[in-house]
Amino acid sequence: GAVVSQHPSRVICKSGTSVKIECRSLDFQATTMFWYRQFPKQSLMLMATSNEGSKATYEQGVEKDKFLINHASLTLSTLTVTSAHPEDSSFYICSARFLQGFGTEAFFGQGTRLTVV
Amino acid sequence: GENVEQHPSTLSVQEGDSAVIKCTYSDSASNYFPWYKQELGKGPQLIIDIRSNVGEKKDQRIAVTLNKTAKHFSLHITETQPEDSAVYFCAAKNTGFQKLVFGTGTRLLVSP
Repeated sequence: GAVVSQHPSRVICKSGTSVKIECRSLDFQATTMFWYRQFPKQSLMLMATSNEGSKATYEQGVEKDKFLINHASLTLSTLTVTSAHPEDSSFYICSARFLQGFGTEAFFGQGTRLTVV
Repeated sequence: GENVEQHPSTLSVQEGDSAVIKCTYSDSASNYFPWYKQELGKGPQLIIDIRSNVGEKKDQRIAVTLNKTAKHFSLHITETQPEDSAVYFCAAKNTGFQKLVFGTGTRLLVSP
């Protein structure tokens, strides 16, 4: 299957600082990338949908000024958690979808465990 | 919008037994149904998917069935192994929309 690489896998930051998470599609071009947040023992919660070259579409209740998403190329999207607070601690996961073909399959990155202290 | 329900929330089986996880969806326009396996501390991994033009798909020990009339689909794992232990998520999507709607997940535990 297609490979989506997410970096870093774990990050600890101080409250008030910003953290950037990268999501790369390694062997395909992704028109669309998605960012999810997952709390322990819960399902994935979609935060935003990112299309290359355009502004991200945020789900209701997600603060776009706090969770900055940039999708500058067909292989890279970034999520920046600005002015992080302990309540932002969570597991963040990206996924990417194929440019060609049926364009439905979504492949996920390994996830990033963010801990804000 | 689409709503996906998944049952059971936890499932314990003995090694070698079969496991079945069921999902129902609400939007009759949904036409793509993937299943993901998520191991602890990792991202979900696509294990099998089915589109609405077929009723069943099989890949070795894993199979998925789809009943469009009843709007439910199921994951079947035969000859379970301890390494099958993980959380499994179903999802549904309408090609008219970009996003997947996920079920609540099933924690499968396969005991040796």
